[in-house]
Amino acid sequence: DAKTTQPNSMESNEEEPVHLPCNHSTISGTDYIHWYRQLPSQGPEYVIHGLTSNVNNRMASLAIAEDRKSSTLILHRATLRDAAVYYCILKGGANNLFFGTGTRLTVIP
Amino acid sequence: DTEVTQTPKHLVMGMTNKKSLKCEQHMGHRAMYWYKQKAKKPPELMFVYSYEKLSINESVPSRFSPECPNSSLLNLHLHALQPEDSALYLCASSPQGRSSTDTQYFGPGTRLTVL
Repeated sequence: DAKTTQPNSMESNEEEPVHLPCNHSTISGTDYIHWYRQLPSQGPEYVIHGLTSNVNNRMASLAIAEDRKSSTLILHRATLRDAAVYYCILKGGANNLFFGTGTRLTVIP
Repeated sequence: DTEVTQTPKHLVMGMTNKKSLKCEQHMGHRAMYWYKQKAKKPPELMFVYSYEKLSINESVPSRFSPECPNSSLLNLHLHALQPEDSALYLCASSPQGRSSTDTQYFGPGTRLTVL
């Protein structure tokens, strides 16, 4: 599985935008970039995924670099409920997800 | 219904006990998964069932035995566990599995303590 690199932790003030980076220099041409998050005492939940173009949904935006070697998950307005561990995962055609260490996001009131 | 349910929420068992974890989904998903998560670590894949057949076993010890009775149910049978097996056991499902765009839906997990 191609690996991803994320900062261990980040902080954000409430109601401010948050940019969570992910490096994936060994990504293959067919790998999709998926983001999941895990809130305290819960199972992971899907956030967003993309291949080449930037993607938006109700939860977040995903900005993908032109060379696809990095991506950024954008939370437009962080709330206390967004405090979680965010995982950036590359997914090809296999049916397994390989979770890296993720980024622990702390939201400061 | 977009929920994956897991029972029990908590389980305490001795090393000689036999117990089972249960997982259920009614989204029509054809792939189901078991993950193990130790405290402050990411989830680690244990087993994958695709169309009710075991497709991935990540070298899990035989004291863990998965079972997929039908497309909606997934069990994990536990026998002769060790204290180091104490962890959060997560179940997930996805529409197909073998697709780059397939997304997984996770249950809340079963917190297992082995004494």
